[in-house]
Amino acid sequence: SYVLTQPPSVSVAPGQTARITCGGNDIGSRRVHWYQQKPGQAPVLVVYDDSDRPSGISERFSGSNSGNTASLTISRVEAGDEGDYYCQVWDTSCDWVFGGGTKLTVL
Amino acid sequence: EVQLVQSGAEVKKPGESLKISCQASGYTFTSYWIAWVRQMPGKGLEWMGFVYPADSDTRYSPSFQGQVTISADKSINTAYLQWSSLKASDTAMYYCARQSVAGPRADYWGQGAQVTVSS
Repeated sequence: SYVLTQPPSVSVAPGQTARITCGGNDIGSRRVHWYQQKPGQAPVLVVYDDSDRPSGISERFSGSNSGNTASLTISRVEAGDEGDYYCQVWDTSCDWVFGGGTKLTVL
Repeated sequence: EVQLVQSGAEVKKPGESLKISCQASGYTFTSYWIAWVRQMPGKGLEWMGFVYPADSDTRYSPSFQGQVTISADKSINTAYLQWSSLKASDTAMYYCARQSVAGPRADYWGQGAQVTVSS
């Protein structure tokens, strides 16, 4: 089955840029989606199809995908961006495949 | 407004059965797949399976095939996740989510239902 690898944690100071990676074999050939999950809440889609944003999501959230790595970039990070972030792709063997998640800490 | 409202928290004993629900509103229930996603304590998201309410077609993750049953009742816009014999390892938060018609991703999520299995 297809495996997505994320760093367990990323830390960034307020106002700086956070980059969360998602590694997978030839992930650049797949469409990657990103979810934000704040403590005690359900996940929320923040980026879909590599780089598109759903209505209502801040333009500070952006994504890219090439080769074996997809990335979620959060610019001008705020305290409210703290939480867990998950990448997700579709795979023939298991439909939705999620990465292990990355905990974003705002210092 | 699209909403997925899940049933409340459950505390059960090992070996008991359970059925939790996810009631949809604000859209045509029969036009979208509904997914169930497990999140064990302190862990990540795991896709369990789908149901298509129009015809009750289901797809399961290999990890959950045979362990749970997913179903839907289109007359009341509700999807279900059920267990016939719970184990302590089923203790988790369970989310339902709607799959977007534009691609295999979740565009709306339920609030989650905590299931605790303990003797």
